[in-house]
Amino acid sequence: AQSVSQHNHHVILSEAASLELGCNYSYGGTVNLFWYVQYPGQHLQLLLKYFSGDPLVKGIKGFEAEFIKSKFSFNLRKPSVQWSDTAEYFCAVNAPIYNNNDMRFGAGTRLTVKP
Amino acid sequence: KAGVTQTPRYLIKTRGQQVTLSCSPISGHRSVSWYQQTPGQGLQFLFEYFSETQRNKGNFPGRFSGRQFSNSRSEMNVSTLELGDSALYLCASSLATRRPQGYTFGSGTRLTVV
Repeated sequence: AQSVSQHNHHVILSEAASLELGCNYSYGGTVNLFWYVQYPGQHLQLLLKYFSGDPLVKGIKGFEAEFIKSKFSFNLRKPSVQWSDTAEYFCAVNAPIYNNNDMRFGAGTRLTVKP
Repeated sequence: KAGVTQTPRYLIKTRGQQVTLSCSPISGHRSVSWYQQTPGQGLQFLFEYFSETQRNKGNFPGRFSGRQFSNSRSEMNVSTLELGDSALYLCASSLATRRPQGYTFGSGTRLTVV
């Protein structure tokens, strides 16, 4: 069955540490990939997206993600986290073979950044 | 421009009742999707509507239904509520172009079933 896996359930980092959150998907064929963030008490916001082209995608707030097709991965990275990055992060996959807007989400990774 | 608006923000219902949640998408967005978010299951896709038609449906029982109006506003209905239906229900809208642009989410309706 098609799925989206986020292996880290909860990540705790100190400020200025580097971040990498894993995301793997099991869809074959063309996929569109997204990372969303949910800050405490706020709604989900789009961080970045990948459709095609350069596999290194830059998003808002210094985040970036790399699409590695051979590994079915789309990991999120940030060189130096801040306390304000404390949030839950969701990876999402859209497989156009189904329809344009059916998006499946991973279980989420909670990031806690200690000041 | 106004974001995705969901009403009500909070709702408490008793088992067996039915509930209707409302979602107004961003102006110009014709696709509306609904998700259920719970701590244990994460974000689960309910269904998506485009031009008043349900385009896709997730793995939820028939008690969960929805519809979309000509102005793209959408409602979802849950009948015969169960305790396990307690969750944050999220609506997301998008432009529904050939290439998905990603969703804009509303703040959600938190439903508590007692």
